[in-house]
Amino acid sequence: GAVVSQHPSRVICKSGTSVKIECRSLDFQATTMFWYRQFPKQSLMLMATSNEGSKATYEQGVEKDKFLINHASLTLSTLTVTSAHPEDSSFYICSASKYDGTGLHEQFFGPGTRLTVL
Amino acid sequence: GQNIDQPTEMTATEGAIVQINCTYQTSGFNGLFWYQQHAGEAPTFLSYNVLDGLEEKGRFSSFLSRSKGYSYLLLKELQMKDSASYLCAVRASNSGYALNFGKGTSLLVTP
Repeated sequence: GAVVSQHPSRVICKSGTSVKIECRSLDFQATTMFWYRQFPKQSLMLMATSNEGSKATYEQGVEKDKFLINHASLTLSTLTVTSAHPEDSSFYICSASKYDGTGLHEQFFGPGTRLTVL
Repeated sequence: GQNIDQPTEMTATEGAIVQINCTYQTSGFNGLFWYQQHAGEAPTFLSYNVLDGLEEKGRFSSFLSRSKGYSYLLLKELQMKDSASYLCAVRASNSGYALNFGKGTSLLVTP
C-alpha cells in the first residue's frame, strides 16, 4: 500500500499566529509532494510542488513567504501558514507521488487538515 | 493553462448506471485521473487514462479520447455509498506530475 498521513487533522488558531502542517509518506519514499487547498464546495487548488532537498515551486498567486514549505526528507514535507488570517481558513491536503514503474506516478493523498483562523 | 469542465451535480438511483463526463483543454497532456471524495475527506484514486480507450476496474470504468479532450467515468450497479464528489484531474507534461483538478461532480444516489 501507500499511506500518507497529515498532522494535525484539525487546528483552530488566532489571527496572526503561524500554523505548521506535516505531511508524511509512511511506507514509501516520495521525491515529490504536493500541497493543495480546498475551499467549501470547491475543487482542489494546487498551491505548490515540493521536491526533496530543493525549493518548492509555487503556483501563480500563492505567496511563498506566507506559505513556507520545507521538504527535508523523502518522507516528510511541512507547510507553515505564517501570520494566518481568517481568509486562510480552508482544507489543506497534501499528496505524495509514488512511481510504480509504468509511468503512472500515482498521487496518494493525506487525510487533510482543516484550518480555522479566528 | 488547463480548463477542466464537468457537471456540478448529478442524481441517480441505486442499482443504476451513471456516466460523469469531463472535458479538458491542456497543453502537453500526460494523463487523466478520476478521484472520489467524500465530504471532509481526502480524495481516493479511482482510475487513470493516458491512452485512448476504456479502462475497466470492477464497477468503475473510465474512457478517454485525447483528440476530443474528453473523458467519462462510468459507475455501474450504483450503491448508496457511491454518493460522493467525483473529481476529474489532468496532468500536463510540464507540470512536474502535479494535477489540475476540475470542480468536481457531486453525485447523489437515491433509493
